[in-house]
Amino acid sequence: DADVTQTPRNRITKTGKRIMLECSQTKGHDRMYWYRQDPGLGLRLIYYSFDVKDINKGEISDGYSVSRQAQAKFSLSLESAIPNQTALYFCATSDPSGGNHEQFFGPGTRLTVL
Amino acid sequence: AQTVTQSQPEMSVQEAETVTLSCTYDTSENNYYLFWYKQPPSRQMILVIRQEAYKQQNATENRFSVNFQKAAKSFSLKISDSQLGDTAMYFCAFMKPPPGANNLFFGTGTRLTVIP
Repeated sequence: DADVTQTPRNRITKTGKRIMLECSQTKGHDRMYWYRQDPGLGLRLIYYSFDVKDINKGEISDGYSVSRQAQAKFSLSLESAIPNQTALYFCATSDPSGGNHEQFFGPGTRLTVL
Repeated sequence: AQTVTQSQPEMSVQEAETVTLSCTYDTSENNYYLFWYKQPPSRQMILVIRQEAYKQQNATENRFSVNFQKAAKSFSLKISDSQLGDTAMYFCAFMKPPPGANNLFFGTGTRLTVIP
């Protein structure tokens, strides 16, 4: 089974709808991240969390909110989706305590807002 | 924010040949981490290789190696004996050490095609 999972894998929604993207991990990592990938722009940080009580905005947080329901779960919400939020969304986890700064990515959610 | 630049949007290489992907970055930090991630058509982000800035020795992972030039802020990826499975987008990424977000700053990617 994958260590970092995302649901749904693909989603088409309409402008103005509320949508939630979910991320779960079995790696036991405290740190979780949400990134957005747009063509030609690479991945950019939306939000990050170091534990269930520690949530921080990233570079492009406007229009998004997050919830850290448990160590293993980190959800991203679009309160009122708009077409320019059409993108590929990735969740990632890490545990730098042992000196390994690798981030482990989920399979991504492709979101289309019509 | 840190800046990571990949100046080659697309590259191609013949199977079994060697190819080098370029990456430069801008930072005032002395200690940091650099990564190359591969994204095949499955869209999964896969770590290829990593480098700690305090290590002078270039990292190597099987057919993948880097040329890390700290003074020039350059971090290129060399793929030897290219295989069809190497066809993918390759992203260079920078990370500042803790404290802080400890997130990745990505370049815009290089699309590599391995030609049979």
